[in-house]
Order: sequence, then structure tokens, then C-alpha cells
Amino acid sequence: DTAVSQTPKYLVTQMGNDKSIKCEQNLGHDTMYWYKQDSKKFLKIMFSYNNKELIINETVPNRFSPKSPDKAHLNLHINSLELGDSAVYFCASSLIAGDYGYTFGSGTRLTVV
Amino acid sequence: AQRVTQPEKLLSVFKGAPVELKCNYSYSGSPELFWYVQYSRQRLQLLLRHISRESIKGFTADLNKGETSFHLKKPFAQEEDSAMYYCALRFAGNLIFGKGTKLSVKP
Repeated sequence: DTAVSQTPKYLVTQMGNDKSIKCEQNLGHDTMYWYKQDSKKFLKIMFSYNNKELIINETVPNRFSPKSPDKAHLNLHINSLELGDSAVYFCASSLIAGDYGYTFGSGTRLTVV
Repeated sequence: AQRVTQPEKLLSVFKGAPVELKCNYSYSGSPELFWYVQYSRQRLQLLLRHISRESIKGFTADLNKGETSFHLKKPFAQEEDSAMYYCALRFAGNLIFGKGTKLSVKP
């Protein structure tokens, strides 16, 4: 039973396309996140959602938009993909008041060609 | 500003040697610190939380508020410890990660 699952695992697409990455958690956590891991393995937070409200929005391009239909899902939509968007995107979840850190998904490797 | 610094990008040791992965933080409040590990092409996994003072896979980490450090240590490295290690600070519900240290344990 996967706690945080992301689909797809791999995504290869052309510049200019629009794509989505889905994330679901079955841990009963109240907060979900999207992180970007670049080619140098740096991890940078992109978004977090708590109870359907965006509570953090780092300086990412507005081509990226998170969508949360319910607290178990946080999908990432990307419009007009660019070469620099190529990275591994990790979804994570946590309890905002908990001290157990985050549980991460297995990542989606996005390659823009 | 809140910051996590991992000064070593790469740390290479031989099997059986002691390991210390350095982590320093910048935070004016009472810190919540974590170590995460990422094995090759896998998800990040929680390794340690400072609050629990536990030992996982032989690793320990002690919070030193005076030195603002949370170094990760293991007395005898194993080849299966080879991975990326990230130190993280929890701030306002958000995890701020260091840039990571790649640990390579040679046979």
C-alpha cells in the first residue's frame, strides 16, 4: 500500500506542451507539497496545500499551478513547458502539527525536449 | 533568514571507516531538524528526527544549539550507505532542505 503515489513516473514531452502530474496520499495527512529536484540534486519547494488552501507559493513561474480536488490529492499542472523545466518532481505530505517530517512520493522524472 | 548548510557536496570513505555528514542551520527559534536519505533514483526517506534522539541504520545525529549544528554520524560505514543525504529544517510547517551531500562508501 503506497503511502504517497505519483503518476506518471516518467514523462517525456516537447517544449510548449501542457502536462499534469498527479499525486495522491492515503496517510490522512492534512498538508501536501510539491518539490523540484534539479540536475544538481537541489531540492526546492514549489507549493504546499493545507485544507485546500495554498499556504506557500514560492517564486515559481505561473505556468505551474497546483490543483487540489480534496485533501488526499495535489496535482501539478504545467503549461507551455520549457527545457529548464526538466527535473524530478516530488510530491510529499505531512501533518502540519506533527513532528514526523514529510512522506515523499517516488518522484516524476520530467524531460522536456 | 532560515537556512540549512551542508558544506560537503561529496564525501567518499572506505567501508568500515567512520562517517560524519555536516549540517549547520540558521534559525532564531527552537529548531526542528531532520535527516533524509535518497538512495539512487528512489524517493526521499526520513532517516532521523532530532526530537526522537533515535539511531537508525547505525546513524545518529545530535543537535548542538551552541554550534547550530546537526551532524549525522556513523561509526562504521557500509557500502549500502551510499546515497544522497539531506539535512532539513522545519519552519512554519515547511521543510527547508540543505543542498545535500553525496556519500560514497568504497569497498
